[in-house]
Amino acid sequence: QSALTQSASVSGSPGQSITISCTGSSSDIDAYKYVSWYQQSPGQAPKVIIYDVNKRPSGVSTRFSGSKSGNTASLTISGLQAEDEADYYCSSYTVANTWIFGGGTKVTVL
Amino acid sequence: QLQESGPGLVRPSETLSLTCTVSGDSINSYYWSWIRQSPGRGLEWIGYIYFTGTTNYNPSLKSRVTISVDTSKNHFSLRLTSVTAADTAVYYCAKISYDSSGYYPSYFYRWGQGTLVTVSS
Repeated sequence: QSALTQSASVSGSPGQSITISCTGSSSDIDAYKYVSWYQQSPGQAPKVIIYDVNKRPSGVSTRFSGSKSGNTASLTISGLQAEDEADYYCSSYTVANTWIFGGGTKVTVL
Repeated sequence: QLQESGPGLVRPSETLSLTCTVSGDSINSYYWSWIRQSPGRGLEWIGYIYFTGTTNYNPSLKSRVTISVDTSKNHFSLRLTSVTAADTAVYYCAKISYDSSGYYPSYFYRWGQGTLVTVSS
């Protein structure tokens, strides 16, 4: 299975909104609502920030939102803050009863 | 809480073995997974196990991977055979949470801190 496709890096100024895209196929993102997003700071384990396409776990800022259209999922960070600087990974369940990750996107706050 | 344990150094061609001990939670009724991250690279899903012992693996690793569970010890384990330098990575164990219906496994809810395994002679 090939990794989901994410842009390598995205940057924005504090207060701006940025969107990270994640492209898959009819065998993963387009097949199920089980898309999730993870934030990983240096030296730390990933932390889920979005699950089931657009749901936020308790305690995750409302500035994070998710959506999906066809085989592409998106993560939007609104009101960008310095603390949002991290790597972000998308993930999807697949028709083969497996999971797959994206290659990751590095978010830089200018 | 999840805690990975095992050797930090494995010789090429040998077998990598790790255990994930689950505390403060029961391993029963849930799915559990292993995920790895090579230095400076992205996340790679290795496989999952249901508490009953049902498993599935990443097709690219399937011939070398075995995940097992011991419910009496509340832990699950990873074995990866015939390792090479390409298997050098931080290995994470994770709990898979169900979707909002409470029926289908959906996302990686809780992660261990990860353990670095280096393959080198």
